[in-house]
Amino acid sequence: AQTVTQSQPEMSVQEAETVTLSCTYDTSESDYYLFWYKQPPSRQMILVIRQEAYKQQNATENRFSVNFQKAAKSFSLKISDSQLGDAAMYFCAYRSAEGAQKLVFGQGTRLTINP
Amino acid sequence: GAVVSQHPSRVICKSGTSVKIECRSLDFQATTMFWYRQFPKQSLMLMATSNEGSKATYEQGVEKDKFLINHASLTLSTLTVTSAHPEDSSFYICSARDTGGRPGLAYEQYFGPGTRLTVT
Repeated sequence: AQTVTQSQPEMSVQEAETVTLSCTYDTSESDYYLFWYKQPPSRQMILVIRQEAYKQQNATENRFSVNFQKAAKSFSLKISDSQLGDAAMYFCAYRSAEGAQKLVFGQGTRLTINP
Repeated sequence: GAVVSQHPSRVICKSGTSVKIECRSLDFQATTMFWYRQFPKQSLMLMATSNEGSKATYEQGVEKDKFLINHASLTLSTLTVTSAHPEDSSFYICSARDTGGRPGLAYEQYFGPGTRLTVT
């Protein structure tokens, strides 16, 4: 079974600075997807960024980018120019490309932005 | 586009009663929907996978007779918590998988806003 591990329960960063959230995963599959979701206090899950395992190029979405290291099974999220609205729980998630395609979530990292 | 709604957003019920939570995909078809449970300050735990027109698939440890799932149409899945008890109090989230053919969006999962259940 696949597992996702986020080793940082909490992180904080100064507004306008850069922060990196860590995520590692374990799988024997070669084709899969990785995601970062944001859950603000409203608790609505918001997709931040998505990476296909077969793509070597790291995904980017405006201020959000990932460092995908397939061999190391590492998938970190970098948030540049942090804003107060970035404060939230961040979940790393894995999804197989085949079968039921269930999402497997990490434990989450609570990100605080200091003004 | 790709909006998922849940109803109700909050519900309080008495111990021993049943409560139904609806999950609707508003602008796309979803043959598969997923039900999650989230305890305070914890991650999402998958409870079951709901498939339109067939029986749901439950994760290990989830009581299928307690958490009844019905996926009667391509846009609606319901979760019924039967004979609810205080330990069932939690935040329940659904997601719907887009089975449409829109480029770049096929098979993506979209989350509902969640339902907070409190059993007294």
